[in-house]
Amino acid sequence: EAGVAQSPRYKIIEKRQSVAFWCNPISGHATLYWYQQILGQGPKLLIQFQNNGVVDDSQLPKDRFSAERLKGVDSTLKIQPAKLEDSAVYLCASSLTTGGEQYFGPGTRLTVT
Amino acid sequence: RKEVEQDPGPFNVPEGATVAFNCTYSNSASQSFFWYRQDCRKEPKLLMSVYSSGNEDGRFTAQLNRASQYISLLIRDSKLSDSATYLCVVNDNNDMRFGAGTRLTVKP
Repeated sequence: EAGVAQSPRYKIIEKRQSVAFWCNPISGHATLYWYQQILGQGPKLLIQFQNNGVVDDSQLPKDRFSAERLKGVDSTLKIQPAKLEDSAVYLCASSLTTGGEQYFGPGTRLTVT
Repeated sequence: RKEVEQDPGPFNVPEGATVAFNCTYSNSASQSFFWYRQDCRKEPKLLMSVYSSGNEDGRFTAQLNRASQYISLLIRDSKLSDSATYLCVVNDNNDMRFGAGTRLTVKP
């Protein structure tokens, strides 16, 4: 079974630029999560989708971050404009059901200079 | 009080040792619990779910104490390959909350 796919794996941008990340979850998984993990910390949930609907985006900085999952399968997360403090690994995960066991993609390591 | 708290460690143990980690959570209504391991510069990988009755998978045992609001992970007969960061996850009304992780180093 194919795992969660993410791209790109690495991205370096200057502050105030825009960036987008892509995630394709495990086939059949209804729930998709985006996390931000800063070095030395645990992952922080940014947004959770159930199919193509948003379940929780309370920790998403909506002035600069946006995410969508239009067809209920793959998803994109965008940052516009980026700040230095956005440097982190952005992890996508999926689960069969909300609150169930999650499987993570390899992450996108973002560096904002 | 943080929603999910773990001792950051590091725990440095010799091969063959038994080591235990605890993770406390603040919301008594939390519904499900998990342990993940994360190797350096890798994504978290599911280690085990934590059931109310406790569960065991080989050298790993997970337990839940709802009265005191903590979960635990016990690793017996530690191997060098167990060196990693162990993250606990608490399902708080379908909002998955991660602890900051406990770092374990197993030495020869």
